[in-house]
Amino acid sequence: KQEVTQIPAALSVPEGENLVLNCSFTDSAIYNLQWFRQDPGKGLTSLLLIQSSQREQTSGRLNASLDKSSGRSTLYIAASQPGDSATYLCAVRDYKLSFGAGTTVTVRA
Amino acid sequence: SAVISQKPSRDICQRGTSLTIQCQVDSQVTMMFWYRQQPGQSLTLIATANQGSEATYESGFVIDKFPISRPNLTFSTLTVSNMSPEDSSIYLCSVFSGVGETQYFGPGTRLLVL
Repeated sequence: KQEVTQIPAALSVPEGENLVLNCSFTDSAIYNLQWFRQDPGKGLTSLLLIQSSQREQTSGRLNASLDKSSGRSTLYIAASQPGDSATYLCAVRDYKLSFGAGTTVTVRA
Repeated sequence: SAVISQKPSRDICQRGTSLTIQCQVDSQVTMMFWYRQQPGQSLTLIATANQGSEATYESGFVIDKFPISRPNLTFSTLTVSNMSPEDSSIYLCSVFSGVGETQYFGPGTRLLVL
């Protein structure tokens, strides 16, 4: 059974600081890994999708890396802004999508 | 990409009653997924719905409690039956679409059972 862990559970940083969010998974036989953002009371927004054959994906200030052999992914958010405050979820797909518990980020103005 | 809508967006229900949640996708998809997010928790897959066949349920979820319909390639319903306060959650519909099969989610249905 795939287990997905996200560390830390919560993070508070001043505006402008870079964010580093970690995700680990137990079974490396994955199809892809996806990072989502969830705002309070809202649904999920897809941020980045990394295929199992890829090492990283970038979109604007966001960069996600994937090391499948060690079962790890990292989401970097550069120059954080208060609007980045949200819960970030990592999800790994084998035959289904398995989610971590999320990292709740607060960016202080 | 895929645009997903859900109805209702939220509801307050009495225990023992049932609620049917609708999910509509703007494109034809083979599989539709139903997830539950309990308060303060992450997402858990309830079942996978394929058009023209029985839904496949994950461990801990049964058809009698969560019957699913999938009448065509753009629509699905999830019913939460004989509700109890423990069923208070957000229920989300999801599909794979596009390059690399990105997974997209609907806005969710927020259910409170009293």
